Amino acid sequence: GENVEQHPSTLSVQEGDSAVIKCTYSDSASNYFPWYKQELGKRPQLIIDIRSNVGEKKDQRIAVTLNKTAKHFSLHITETQPEDSAVYFCAASLGSSNTGKLIFGQGTTLQVKP
Amino acid sequence: GAVVSQHPSRVICKSGTSVKIECRSLDFQATTMFWYRQFPKQSLMLMATSNEGSKATYEQGVEKDKFLINHASLTLSTLTVTSAHPEDSSFYICSASGTGGYTFGSGTRLTVV
Repeated sequence: GENVEQHPSTLSVQEGDSAVIKCTYSDSASNYFPWYKQELGKRPQLIIDIRSNVGEKKDQRIAVTLNKTAKHFSLHITETQPEDSAVYFCAASLGSSNTGKLIFGQGTTLQVKP
Repeated sequence: GAVVSQHPSRVICKSGTSVKIECRSLDFQATTMFWYRQFPKQSLMLMATSNEGSKATYEQGVEKDKFLINHASLTLSTLTVTSAHPEDSSFYICSASGTGGYTFGSGTRLTVV
């Protein structure tokens, strides 16, 4: 079955610096890769996603890159702010229309120091 | 946007009793519902996938007789934790898939005492 590995488990950066979180997946048939931000005790919030027919996607300070050949994708946050501090999860899904099983990475706790 | 209402948000039950968690899609039809469990400081682990009108598919290692899933309509799926034990204490969260992607419920914090 699908397996998603996420690194690092914790990441501490200074405000204004960039943060990068990396994930690899095992199933080459995976075609949808969302990133979620989760605050303690809350539901995951989708922050950006990418499909397998796209190599890069950007939304203001957040970008995601996908390397299908290597089966890895990364989240890039630029100009980090203290409110970016949270746990971030990558995920991978099979199936069309984002309806397949969503398998999550282990999570990265990001701390942005003022 | 799509909304999934999950209840209860918190529940405390005695060991040996059963607890039912409900997830309702409020403004769309959820053909498929995914149920996850999340232990403190860990990731969301997929427990099972349910499709409306059919039996749920459980992930390896998840006891289907302990975690009963019902998806009788396109707007309601329930997870019942039977004979709960302290080790079942966790954050349970549902996710409905539809044309708009994945929509998560707000989660249920279950504490078994």
